[in-house]
Amino acid sequence: QKEVEQDPGPLSVPEGAIVSLNCTYSNSAFQYFMWYRQYSRKGPELLMYTYSSGNKEDGRFTAQVDKSSKYISLFIRDSQPSDSATYLCSAWGVDSGGSNYKLTFGKGTLLTVNP
Amino acid sequence: DAGITQSPRHKVTETGTPVTLRCHQTENHRYMYWYRQDPGHGLRLIHYSYGVKDTDKGEVSDGYSVSRSKTEDFLLTLESATSSQTSVYFCAISETPPWGPYSNYGYTFGSGTRLTVV
Repeated sequence: QKEVEQDPGPLSVPEGAIVSLNCTYSNSAFQYFMWYRQYSRKGPELLMYTYSSGNKEDGRFTAQVDKSSKYISLFIRDSQPSDSATYLCSAWGVDSGGSNYKLTFGKGTLLTVNP
Repeated sequence: DAGITQSPRHKVTETGTPVTLRCHQTENHRYMYWYRQDPGHGLRLIHYSYGVKDTDKGEVSDGYSVSRSKTEDFLLTLESATSSQTSVYFCAISETPPWGPYSNYGYTFGSGTRLTVV
């Protein structure tokens, strides 16, 4: 089982919709949780960053982490065509062996927002 | 991508040939990384560097070597390319080490090199 699991989609929504992107993780030692956005033919860029459990809001984006259920979510309000991209969830912390810190990425979810 | 440049952007090479990919940064970050991105696998760490001449293996390092002779340059070499190394390769940089503490600036990625081995 991969340490970070993400539904690859694709996900297609109309402009203005609320988008919910989700990941689960298996390693309870993960401490930091990030969402990266990757446009086609580009490198990932950091979108949201959360430490431990809780919510973080930045404009139309809300990141949510529930460590009790090992669930990571990203909500996009009033989605725009410019939000069309692949969204990668990721987590950082000591690995399952307990000896090395690592950054682990999900496989990414392809989102298309249709005008 | 400001501050980090990968070259070449695209390359087609034959099986068995050596290939070197270059990453150049202008941010003066100490920590640099090479990832590969494949459908069904996501981003996987190949090697990373924690200083000039200081490198270590990631989770998929077999068949790859790296070198860092200057802070700004990190080279990835495929000694003898195989078709399984067809992928998109990303270089990344960070202000803080991979072993932490994690920075809220995250990792900055380059635009990638699309490598095809035929």
